[in-house]
Amino acid sequence: DTEVTQTPKHLVMGMTNKKSLKCEQHMGHRAMYWYKQKAKKPPELMFVYSYEKLSINESVPSRFSPECPNSSLLNLHLHALQPEDSALYLCASSQFPPDPPGETQYFGPGTRLLVL
Amino acid sequence: AQSVTQLGSHVSVSEGALVLLRCNYSSSVPPYLFWYVQYPNQGLQLLLKYTSAATLVKGINGFEAEFKKSETSFHLTKPSAHMSDAAEYFCAVSPSGGSYIPTFGRGTSLIVHP
Repeated sequence: DTEVTQTPKHLVMGMTNKKSLKCEQHMGHRAMYWYKQKAKKPPELMFVYSYEKLSINESVPSRFSPECPNSSLLNLHLHALQPEDSALYLCASSQFPPDPPGETQYFGPGTRLLVL
Repeated sequence: AQSVTQLGSHVSVSEGALVLLRCNYSSSVPPYLFWYVQYPNQGLQLLLKYTSAATLVKGINGFEAEFKKSETSFHLTKPSAHMSDAAEYFCAVSPSGGSYIPTFGRGTSLIVHP
């Protein structure tokens, strides 16, 4: 199974709402990632978890709160978002450390978020 | 720090024509290089990767890429374009040591005309 699943596929929320994005993988990967992607742009790294611990936070605003409850699950909690946060949010996973070296990331299909 | 440059934000070809998407890398050490494809409203899918085993790398859907150290390039090619190849293509690089997280190029939109 080389699949990363993400729910929901689409999400519309107001600026006062609280919502969560979910990501799941069953490949035994110990690194999981959140990316934000605007249209026609490359993915921008937001957070990295390795062995369920937050290892990288790319100066993301506190209205985004990641959580890794276990080695298969990754959540992104959203609160008080702004319209400019509307984007495709991608989850990815990979071996950690990369084995073999250069091991690739596997991406989920993404959640398309619209903030009104 | 490593980086990649994708020349051309858009490439337009006719169905059946050669596809050539350009990627040049900048890295102080031999890197690992990747090509990803993103179809509309989908995530990124790995097409192929270079990890120093062979300079000519064959990927899925008939794509291949050649690593040329002298030119610091890793261009993606396909002999004959198909309408279903229309998508966004991203070149990415990660160093052979240290950080394992890839750096993505800005992407190239491939447009295929009938």
